[in-house]
Amino acid sequence: GAVVSQHPSRVICKSGTSVKIECRSLDFQATTMFWYRQFPKQSLMLMATSNEGSKATYEQGVEKDKFLINHASLTLSTLTVTSAHPEDSSFYICSARDRGFREQYFGPGTRLTVT
Amino acid sequence: GNSVTQMEGPVTLSEEAFLTINCTYTATGYPSLFWYVQYPGEGLQLLLKATKADDKGSNKGFEATYRKETTSFHLEKGSVQVSDSAVYFCALSGGSEKLVFGKGTKLTVNP
Repeated sequence: GAVVSQHPSRVICKSGTSVKIECRSLDFQATTMFWYRQFPKQSLMLMATSNEGSKATYEQGVEKDKFLINHASLTLSTLTVTSAHPEDSSFYICSARDRGFREQYFGPGTRLTVT
Repeated sequence: GNSVTQMEGPVTLSEEAFLTINCTYTATGYPSLFWYVQYPGEGLQLLLKATKADDKGSNKGFEATYRKETTSFHLEKGSVQVSDSAVYFCALSGGSEKLVFGKGTKLTVNP
């Protein structure tokens, strides 16, 4: 149980285009989802926290208009990287937390490459 | 603010060797402490956790003890296997439930 999926696993896009990444909780209802960014040989940095039906809460330094997060249902959150640039190339990871548990369950990540 | 410092790798060991990965933290209050493991090409998986001082988390032969006096949560395993090769992350969670991660330590175990 407690499986989180992400789609796509890899995406390559051209500079200036937008990319949407999906995060789904497959067998539980995720009241809270988290989006992280991981640079090579670096830690995971929390980008934002989203609660179902509410606006996401962004961490300091994360551009809200660039990284659009939607958590429209209890099993799906999306991260849209708008007007992507090469510096947005990174590994994006989501996690989801069940209503009743404090543990976060992580997705396998999405490798974004902007050319 | 809260922070986690863990030993930088990479760490390379032979099979059956003893493993220690150091982790220290800075936090206000009484955080929960975690070790996560990331196998190649996969997402993070919770390896073990401890929620209060002197608690010992254990799983798959790995152990870590929450030491408040030294603000540490070192990961240990008595005999590593090739299948333990992965990146290990120490993390803490304070009252806000957000996870703060260390930079990760890559472990390679050779046969």
